[in-house]
Order: sequence, then structure tokens, then C-alpha cells
Amino acid sequence: ETAVFQTPNYHVTQVGNEVSFNCKQTLGHDTMYWYKQDSKKLLKIMFSYNNKQLIVNETVPRRFSPQSSDKAHLNLRIKSVEPEDSAVYLCASSHGTSSQNTLYFGAGTRLSVL
Amino acid sequence: AQSVTQPDARVTVSEGASLQLRCKYSYSGTPYLFWYVQYPRQGLQLLLKYYSGDPVVQGVNGFEAEFSKSNSSFHLRKASVHWSDSAVYFCVLSARSGTYQRFGTGTKLQVVP
Repeated sequence: ETAVFQTPNYHVTQVGNEVSFNCKQTLGHDTMYWYKQDSKKLLKIMFSYNNKQLIVNETVPRRFSPQSSDKAHLNLRIKSVEPEDSAVYLCASSHGTSSQNTLYFGAGTRLSVL
Repeated sequence: AQSVTQPDARVTVSEGASLQLRCKYSYSGTPYLFWYVQYPRQGLQLLLKYYSGDPVVQGVNGFEAEFSKSNSSFHLRKASVHWSDSAVYFCVLSARSGTYQRFGTGTKLQVVP
């Protein structure tokens, strides 16, 4: 049963446009993540928030900015997309910040940049 | 430095056959280790995880994995695969003091009749 919801499922846009992706979890978790999955299925952590506070910010271009209104929501904005931003963006949540905790994933948002 | 290597990008097995998906890790201490599965058009789901103790851990749907510190490995096994096991499998590592999980490159499993 899905408990991490991502919208939209797909998004096609042109270079230079701004896009926003939404993520909501109904598990009562306090930590949320954004991972980027490239065309070869490789997942890389982008950001992690705990109770609306940024705790992980990997080497990500400045055009990416996460936004958290409360611990159940973590959105991702890309200010001016580039072709290399084409990927699947996966949102996940967990209980607590320990890296031993199970991650619960959404189905992903597939971004295509033309 | 921490890293996870899944040497097989694709594995094809016949339905009913046994399965082993390989995972090697690089980490100086004893890590947390996980296997996640990604079915087509779905998010990733946890299969099993290892923290400490018995090196053989049981997971969902008949999967198990064995931790070997001497070999720096955490291979996934299943005695008899079903067509519904076709998916991408990720081996994942995290440091005991870490704040996020590090994913391997994934192994795409195809189960054929």
C-alpha cells in the first residue's frame, strides 16, 4: 500500500524552464529524502530533511532547491533545468535520522528535458 | 570511503531455479546492509536488512542474504524464483554513524519460463 505520494508521475519540459515536484508521506515519519535515479538505475542521495531541517545536502547544483513546509512534505524545485537533469526523482521517508532505518519510497517523478 | 558494487548488471534465470545476486562492499567497519527491490513503475521496497548477529538474514518472499565480513560481501539468494520476482535489486550500505544509505548500481533480474 502506497504511503509516499509523488506528483507528477511524469513531466516533460524544455531547457531553462522551472519545475517543481511534490512529495507527501502519510507514515508519520520525521525524515524525508530526495534521490536521483539516472538512466542506468543508479540512485544518488540529493537531500535529506528531518523535521523541516536540512541534514544532508550532497553535491547538487544550485539550481536544485528542496522545500519543506512540515515533516510530511518535501518538495523539490529545479530553477532552470538542464538536459542532464533528465532522470527519475525518488522521494523517500524514514522514522528518525539513523541510516539503519528502513526507507519507504514513492513511485517517482520522471523528468524529461528536451 | 564507502562503496557498494553489484558486479552483475543483468541476470537471467529460469523459473523455479535458484538465484544468487552478488554484492560487495567497501567499508572499514561493520556496516548496515540492505537489499531493496524495485518492481516496474513502482518505488523501491525493502527485502531484508542486516545489523549484527546471525550472518544469514531472512527477508520477504523467500529471500535471504548472507553477510561475510571476511569477503566484504552480502549476497542475496532465493531457492526457487518465480516470474513475479523479475525486477531490479539494489544492495545498499550505510555507515553506523551515517545519515543516509548508499545504493549499489542495481542488478536487473529477468525470470524466464
